Amino acid sequence: DGGITQSPKYLFRKEGQNVTLSCEQNLNHDAMYWYRQDPGQGLRLIYYSQIVNDFQKGDIAEGYSVSREKKESFPLTVTSAQKNPTAFYLCASMTPWGNTEAFFGQGTRLTVV
Amino acid sequence: AQRVTQPEKLLSVFKGAPVELKCNYSYSGSPELFWYVQYSRQRLQLLLRHISRESIKGFTADLNKGETSFHLKKPFAQEEDSAMYYCALLLNDYKLSFGAGTTVTVRA
Repeated sequence: DGGITQSPKYLFRKEGQNVTLSCEQNLNHDAMYWYRQDPGQGLRLIYYSQIVNDFQKGDIAEGYSVSREKKESFPLTVTSAQKNPTAFYLCASMTPWGNTEAFFGQGTRLTVV
Repeated sequence: AQRVTQPEKLLSVFKGAPVELKCNYSYSGSPELFWYVQYSRQRLQLLLRHISRESIKGFTADLNKGETSFHLKKPFAQEEDSAMYYCALLLNDYKLSFGAGTTVTVRA
């Protein structure tokens, strides 16, 4: 089954702890993205990666980090420096030329207590 | 800086009435624009893109470079059109930015 998978669906962490969200795709897409979805604010771009071993900050990168060691994987770490980490996180992938359609994961809801 | 603006957070229309969702963008280059939709309990998915100039589920969107707009229209709304709609802008460096979204409710 081709697709993009985020895990876990729900995640709870204590304040001050780092946490890593997983995103895996088997669509052979070069570009991958992380967004944060908050009510009334839409999708805000955290980080994106055009290709393996390269990534760029999005609009709200502070307090987050990523890696892109494999084409299939783009994990997002929410660090203790992120002031308001409780949110719904969406991962997406796309081939950024030709058929430029982004495919989204089902999301991870992170709650920091 | 590039930006996508959707001025309406909520839009409520009656079944059979026309619906128009506004989207404005700011980008000095050549834009590639999209509309994505998220139905209840489903993943966000592509509705249409300006390059294709197609009609999907009765929706159309025309890119107006003079007004920097990409409004989404449907002449006769259906109840199954109730969803969250996002306008998106793809830049040359593959940055994909979204607007704040518009929640559409179609009433019977």
